[in-house]
Amino acid sequence: NAGVTQTPKFQVLKTGQSMTLQCAQDMNHNSMYWYRQDPGMGLRLIYYSASEGTTDKGEVPNGYNVSRLNKREFSLRLESAAPSQTSVYFCASSEAKHPSPTYEQYFGPGTRLTVT
Amino acid sequence: QQQVKQSPQSLIVQKGGISIINCAYENTAFDYFPWYQQFPGKGPALLIAIRPDVSEKKEGRFTISFNKSAKQFSLHIMDSQPGDSATYFCAASRNPEAGKSTFGDGTTLTVKP
Repeated sequence: NAGVTQTPKFQVLKTGQSMTLQCAQDMNHNSMYWYRQDPGMGLRLIYYSASEGTTDKGEVPNGYNVSRLNKREFSLRLESAAPSQTSVYFCASSEAKHPSPTYEQYFGPGTRLTVT
Repeated sequence: QQQVKQSPQSLIVQKGGISIINCAYENTAFDYFPWYQQFPGKGPALLIAIRPDVSEKKEGRFTISFNKSAKQFSLHIMDSQPGDSATYFCAASRNPEAGKSTFGDGTTLTVKP
């Protein structure tokens, strides 16, 4: 099992360029998430998908779009990159475990994005 | 308004000592409180989690203490080791969106040998 995989690992963009961050999971989880991590600010939720075919905004969705391509894949698109989007982006997936439900999120290794 | 406040921002502990990280939350609807551990260059990984129907949960050297009335919970790392040096995040979430966590800002723990 690879768990959660993300591509690319590193990316440098110029202001105004677009790109798509790819995420895939092989754990058959229904829920998937995109977070950004900035120094001293923890992880902030950008978008999430509770199940295939559904997506919803998180805390900081502006400037991003997502696609839940199928149960395995959840992509994040920056249409016109800005320096404020320089960050580390993490994809995660989760599934409730019964009994006494727990909701462990499994994180990918991250994509380090710099926008100049 | 930050829903989960974590302190301290950084912590230095001697090997064998006890590391304590605290979190406070605002939303009384939260009912799941995980702690994540993150090593440099890696994604966070679940360390231990608690639900509000218990006041303490222990797994090896790691213990969560939970105070529902004070809306606070803390992570205690007993016999801290250099290999515990990492960033720790508390988080909180609620049913039915339990996988959609709100994270604290993180604590960077350094355990000196």
